[in-house]
Amino acid sequence: DQQVKQNSPSLSVQEGRISILNCDYTNSMFDYFLWYKKYPAEGPTFLISISSIKDKNEDGRFTVFLNKSAKHLSLHIVPSQPGDSAVYFCAASSLGGNTGKLIFGQGTTLQVKP
Amino acid sequence: ETGVTQTPRHLVMGMTNKKSLKCEQHLGHNAMYWYKQSAKKPLELMFVYSLEERVENNSVPSRFSPECPNSSHLFLHLHTLQPEDSALYLCASSQDFGDLIYEQYFGPGTRLTVT
Repeated sequence: DQQVKQNSPSLSVQEGRISILNCDYTNSMFDYFLWYKKYPAEGPTFLISISSIKDKNEDGRFTVFLNKSAKHLSLHIVPSQPGDSAVYFCAASSLGGNTGKLIFGQGTTLQVKP
Repeated sequence: ETGVTQTPRHLVMGMTNKKSLKCEQHLGHNAMYWYKQSAKKPLELMFVYSLEERVENNSVPSRFSPECPNSSHLFLHLHTLQPEDSALYLCASSQDFGDLIYEQYFGPGTRLTVT
């Protein structure tokens, strides 16, 4: 059973508008969440993270929101740029003894149109 | 070289071949990982090494054999693979402080095709 799910395989938005990527998880022990971005022929690159003691973390155009009661997190990109077109993965982990074990979602392909 | 490098970038091998994938990290990290990414599937963790000791093996078939000779190098030895093993194999590294989670940094991956 998949513990981290990204139910939208793809998303298309216009340049300058907001992109919202969603992620749901089932394991209530998860308390640390990350977003990665992946371009073709490259490995995933870390984008932004959030721990469960927060409900929001912001870094420039990227903001991650966490709703623990709903077991849901989202990544907002404002404004979206064509260079943001990539596959976005969310990942989850639990602190304590897991040696950085991350559980990944299956990814959402974002296309930002000029 | 900087970051995490992987060689080769592409590999085609027959089911009876033996080959090895190599990963090297230049970030001073003490934990390294092998992941498998199949089409339309999430990244699957295969192996974790922390301080050069294997701490996680997610029930990976024995035809995949990891080796971590030091904290900067990680190998994945392959033998008698099956066509369903064709995938992108990603290496990652991070700084492991026990119960603190640090971001993992990924290499570009090796695209493996088993014929």
